[in-house]
Amino acid sequence: DAGVTQSPTHLIKTRGQHVTLRCSPISGHKSVSWYQQVLGQGPQFIFQYYEKEERGRGNFPDRFSARQFPNYSSELNVNALLLGDSALYLCASSPDRDTGELFFGEGSRLTVL
Amino acid sequence: GEDVEQSLFLSVREGDSSVINCTYTDSSSTYLYWYKQEPGAGLQLLTYIFSNMDMKQDQRLTVLLNKKDKHLSLRIADTQTGDSAIYFCAEEGNNAGNMLTFGGGTRLMVKP
Repeated sequence: DAGVTQSPTHLIKTRGQHVTLRCSPISGHKSVSWYQQVLGQGPQFIFQYYEKEERGRGNFPDRFSARQFPNYSSELNVNALLLGDSALYLCASSPDRDTGELFFGEGSRLTVL
Repeated sequence: GEDVEQSLFLSVREGDSSVINCTYTDSSSTYLYWYKQEPGAGLQLLTYIFSNMDMKQDQRLTVLLNKKDKHLSLRIADTQTGDSAIYFCAEEGNNAGNMLTFGGGTRLMVKP
């Protein structure tokens, strides 16, 4: 069975640009959450979507947005990129909206120059 | 607010036991989790413990929870070189859901 897949795996952007990261959850999982992992730190929660609705949002600026599609895949968008947005962006899926049992993808590594 | 803390680094010899410690602040957390991250990979759930339990054993893994001191530990018996990775403890957020607050991670190095 396919796990959580994310694309792209690596990308380089410059300050001020926009980025879109994509995530396909495990088949049957309706909940998708996004985490940011800065090098050397633990992951930080950004968003959770369940059944196409935002269910939770972490302490991130409005430059960060996300959505979930009818097939439960998800996109994370970041506008006006800053150097500090350089990080590994992890997507996790779950069959249940209220559980910490998350299945993570391998992440999209974003470098902002 | 929520804060989860871990020591940065642990080095053990192959075959020894490893103990990774974690302190958390949110006493309302129902579950506490341990995740493992290998180089270049995402996180993998290892085990979790319900907050009304003191201990949970799962093969080579033993989780101890001291709720009074808000202290969580993960013991790995007979540590192998393949256990070398970063280990994260995590507590549930105030609104539960899939929101977890992770510690900074403990890098475990296993020497042959």
